[in-house]
Amino acid sequence: AQSVAQPEDQVNVAEGNPLTVKCTYSVSGNPYLFWYVQYPNRGLQFLLKYITGDNLVKGSYGFEAEFNKSQTSFHLKKPSALVSDSALYFCAVRDPYNFNKFYFGSGTKLNVKP
Amino acid sequence: GAVVSQHPSRVICKSGTSVKIECRSLDFQATTMFWYRQFPKKSLMLMATSNEGSKATYEQGVEKDKFLINHASLTLSTLTVTSAHPEDSSFYICSARDSNRASNTGELFFGEGSRLTVL
Repeated sequence: AQSVAQPEDQVNVAEGNPLTVKCTYSVSGNPYLFWYVQYPNRGLQFLLKYITGDNLVKGSYGFEAEFNKSQTSFHLKKPSALVSDSALYFCAVRDPYNFNKFYFGSGTKLNVKP
Repeated sequence: GAVVSQHPSRVICKSGTSVKIECRSLDFQATTMFWYRQFPKKSLMLMATSNEGSKATYEQGVEKDKFLINHASLTLSTLTVTSAHPEDSSFYICSARDSNRASNTGELFFGEGSRLTVL
C-alpha cells in the first residue's frame, strides 16, 4: 500500500528563518511526490512535484523539496520564511499503479511569527 | 494555469434537504474529477472518482446513494448530498487532472472547496 507520513502536526518558525516541513513516504514502485498548501477555507494549491531527475525540486513561492530515496523522504524547505507562508501543508504520493489515486499526509500547520 | 471552480463556497441547509455542489474545470478538459471530504484538522479523504460519461467509482465506506455524483461533460462534475444530516457537515473539495497532460506526471488541480453546514 502507498502512504505518506507527516510526523509534525505543527511547525513554528520565526520570520526570516529557514523552514522545513517533513514528509516520508512508502511506495511500491517509483514514487511520484507532491506538496500542496491550503489556506483557511480554501482548496489546495499545488507547490511542487518530484517525478524524476534532480533530487532538489524547486516550486512556487520560493519553496523547494529534496527527494531522498535512501531515507524515503521528501521534506519541504524554504530558506527564509514569511508570515504569509503560514498555512496547512500537505504531502502527497501518487499511486504508481493507479495514476488517478493520490494519498495525502495528515497535514502540517506552519506558523510563521513576525 | 489550470483553474478549477467550485460552487457554492458555502451552503447552509436544513436537515433532510439535498444540496448540489458543482465543480468545473475552466481552461482544460477533465475526463476524471475527484471528490474529497475534509474534516476539521484532518487530511483529505477521497470519496469518489467521477468519470465523464460513466458511473462514479466510490471509495469503500462511502454511500453512493447518499453522495450522488454526475459527470455530464468534460468540464463539469456535480456532487449531490441527498437527505443531508448534521453529520454530513464538512468541507468538500473537488479536484481534476488535465486529460491532455501525461497521466503519470500531471498534478491535481483543486477547487476552492465548499463548506456545507446542515442544521
